[in-house]
Amino acid sequence: DAKTTQPNSMESNEEEPVHLPCNHSTISGTDYIHWYRQLPSQGPEYVIHGLTSNVNNRMASLAIAEDRKSSTLILHRATLRDAAVYYCILRDYSGAGSYQLTFGKGTKLSVIP
Amino acid sequence: GAGVSQSPSNKVTEKGKDVELRCDPISGHTALYWYRQSLGQGLEFLIYFQGNSAPDKSGLPSDRFSAERTGGSVSTLTIQRTQQEDSAVYLCASSLTMGGGNTEAFFGQGTRLTVV
Repeated sequence: DAKTTQPNSMESNEEEPVHLPCNHSTISGTDYIHWYRQLPSQGPEYVIHGLTSNVNNRMASLAIAEDRKSSTLILHRATLRDAAVYYCILRDYSGAGSYQLTFGKGTKLSVIP
Repeated sequence: GAGVSQSPSNKVTEKGKDVELRCDPISGHTALYWYRQSLGQGLEFLIYFQGNSAPDKSGLPSDRFSAERTGGSVSTLTIQRTQQEDSAVYLCASSLTMGGGNTEAFFGQGTRLTVV
């Protein structure tokens, strides 16, 4: 999987929007942009993914730059339950049959009451 | 069940013993992954199964680690002659299809392995 760069940590006040950035300057045309999050003492959970267009679901929105070299995960109203490590991952099918889902260090989001 | 199930949730073993960790993926999911996460660290890929294809074992840290997936469903990760550095949370994930990157993976809650 191609590499992504995220800030190590971010803070947000409760009930305010949060914008989590991710840079992926070496993204290829067939890479999907995925976001997962890991709450304390839990396994990662899927948040959202997209290819070129912005995406919305019940958890978050994903804004993808026109050149696809960066993206932003948007939590519209942060709650204390959103405190987690957020991972931005590029996911492609590599023709050898390997379909790894490679996690970087992610961004640790703290939500202040 | 509705999600990925892992057992046991916790395992304490003595150094040098063998351990088996089990993963029950979501029914119908053809892709299955194993990861491990040491305390305060990120997720380290171990092995990946996709249908009847040969597994991708590129992440296994040593020949003490092995995994199998029987009947395309349940998977077992075996660690032989455990060492203290094997202590970690072992996570399993499954995914519906291998159709490009347009699929999401679902994770279990993990097995916390402690080697004493």
